[in-house]
Amino acid sequence: AQKITQTQPGMFVQEKEAVTLDCTYDTSDPSYGLFWYKQPSSGEMIFLIYQGSYDQQNATEGRYSLNFQKARKSANLVISASQLGDSAMYFCAMRENGANSKLTFGKGITLSVRP
Amino acid sequence: EPEVTQTPSHQVTQMGQEVILRCVPISNHLYFYWYRQILGQKVEFLVSFYNNEISEKSEIFDDQFSVERPDGSNFTLKIRSTKLEDSAMYFCASSLGGPAGAQYFGPGTRLLVL
Repeated sequence: AQKITQTQPGMFVQEKEAVTLDCTYDTSDPSYGLFWYKQPSSGEMIFLIYQGSYDQQNATEGRYSLNFQKARKSANLVISASQLGDSAMYFCAMRENGANSKLTFGKGITLSVRP
Repeated sequence: EPEVTQTPSHQVTQMGQEVILRCVPISNHLYFYWYRQILGQKVEFLVSFYNNEISEKSEIFDDQFSVERPDGSNFTLKIRSTKLEDSAMYFCASSLGGPAGAQYFGPGTRLLVL
């Protein structure tokens, strides 16, 4: 089974509106971390937000929030008040088997923000 | 704000040649990683490094690959004899460590093997 699943086709959102990017994961490790990264067309990978499996509250970081539903094994990224600069590829990633172990990435979702 | 840097930004090489990709992680970070992303595909883990040792490596990281931290600041990935399929974007990442320690990525080196 895929560890990280991102199945949405290219997403479009109107500027200033909110958008949700879906991510589901699969692990048997009780202690894991979930991450979202942004990859603009320039290619770099920018860390956005982190959610630990034991965190009681959903993570928030500025306009980014993570809708963490542990029982459903989903960790959706919500971007509020979209800006043109949010147009990019977004990757969900999971870390399991130890706090400093590798990240396993999903295939990514392309987000386009319309003016 | 501290950031991970990588050089070169682009490298073109002939099949069979050796390449060395260089990274300067964030200065107080302890854990270092290499990932690669073949064009249009997902990011794949290659190797992680801590306390001057490889701590984890993937199936991709075969005998053609090696990593080194030659001094207190640089972290290098060497590919001894490049193949066409090594063409990819190579990312270095570093982390302070701990459960909430995010991995911060460098801007990448785009490697093209001809």
